[in-house]
Amino acid sequence: QKEVEQNSGPLSVPEGAIASLNCTYSDRVSQSFFWYRQYSGKSPELIMSIYSNGDKEDGRFTAQLNKASQYVSLLIRDSQPSDSATYLCAVGAYGKLTFGQGTILTVHP
Amino acid sequence: GAGVSQTPSNKVTEKGKYVELRCDPISGHTALYWYRQSLGQGPEFLIYFQGTGAADDSGLPNDRFFAVRPEGSVSTLKIQRTERGDSAVYLCASSPGVGDEKLFFGSGTQLSVL
Repeated sequence: QKEVEQNSGPLSVPEGAIASLNCTYSDRVSQSFFWYRQYSGKSPELIMSIYSNGDKEDGRFTAQLNKASQYVSLLIRDSQPSDSATYLCAVGAYGKLTFGQGTILTVHP
Repeated sequence: GAGVSQTPSNKVTEKGKYVELRCDPISGHTALYWYRQSLGQGPEFLIYFQGTGAADDSGLPNDRFFAVRPEGSVSTLKIQRTERGDSAVYLCASSPGVGDEKLFFGSGTQLSVL
């Protein structure tokens, strides 16, 4: 079992819709959780961090964490074509981040 | 500098050669990380430094890979006897320090081993 798993994708949503990205992790020691966005040919860019159970909202992005279920998600509301990218879930433990394989999101006009 | 700087941006080498990849972290960041990313995959952890010492080098694939950070700022990733399977994007990231795993990445070095 991979340490961090993301829904396989690719995910395609129409402009204006809600995109839902999911991630599960295996190490219960994990204390910090992040979502990175990576455009093709570019490096990962941090978009959200979450440390406590529940929801955290930042603009059109909402991160959700459930430590009991070892589950993290990212919701993107009012999706825009500029949101088209690979989204990486990252889980922090022992001072380092472990990344999932990424989910490709395409938002079509 | 304003962000994490990596040089070179591209490196093409022949199988068996030695390469060095350089990373200059965000000023004031004490933790520095090296990751490797292959096409279609997430970044794979290699090593991280807290200050001058390697806090965790468990991700280095074998003894051909080595990294240093002698003065606690700039780091160099060194790969000996390169193999075609070493071809990937090598990403460097930094964070403010212990307990803060919010990483900021450089633009990466694309390594191609022919």
